[in-house]
Amino acid sequence: RKEVEQDPGPFNVPEGATVAFNCTYSNSASQSFFWYRQDCRKEPKLLMSVYSSGNEDGRFTAQLNRASQYISLLIRDSKLSDSATYLCVVNIGRTYKYIFGTGTRLKVLA
Amino acid sequence: DVKVTQSSRYLVKRTGEKVFLECVQDMDHENMFWYRQDPGLGLRLIYFSYDVKMKEKGDIPEGYSVSREKKERFSLILESASTNQTSMYLCASRVGKANYGYTFGSGTRLTVV
Repeated sequence: RKEVEQDPGPFNVPEGATVAFNCTYSNSASQSFFWYRQDCRKEPKLLMSVYSSGNEDGRFTAQLNRASQYISLLIRDSKLSDSATYLCVVNIGRTYKYIFGTGTRLKVLA
Repeated sequence: DVKVTQSSRYLVKRTGEKVFLECVQDMDHENMFWYRQDPGLGLRLIYFSYDVKMKEKGDIPEGYSVSREKKERFSLILESASTNQTSMYLCASRVGKANYGYTFGSGTRLTVV
């Protein structure tokens, strides 16, 4: 089993739709979780951290389910500009390195 | 905002050449990382450094080395470039504490011919 797994997509959704992605992780010692956004041929950029109690930033909501070992990202009222690849990132224990998922591709259609 | 600068956006090198990729960050971050990103494989960690003169192997260190003589600069060296090292190389830095995300440079697309 991969350490971090994501559905590669693409998820094709109309503007204004709500879309959710999940990401599963295999190491129960994982402590830090993030969602990054990567546009085509650009570097990944931090979208949001994921906190145990769940957190929201505008149209974006991130949640953590430790029992089932997954994190989720919900995007409400999708915009064309949300089209990108969303990377799930997990830190193992207190180590310095993060494990990246291979990303979920989102296309928001006009 | 933290800025992570990679010296070249695109590079073309010949097989067998020694290649230097430079990365500089301007926010006094302790930790620095080199990843490569390939389609279908995602980001894979090559080497990282948790402080000056410190270095640790990542998941795919073979064929690479690194240097961190100053806190702000982390260099990746391809000792003898090969075609299977054609890739996007991404440098990242981070405050030396858990729960902080990375800031990435804009990447170097290296082609080895």
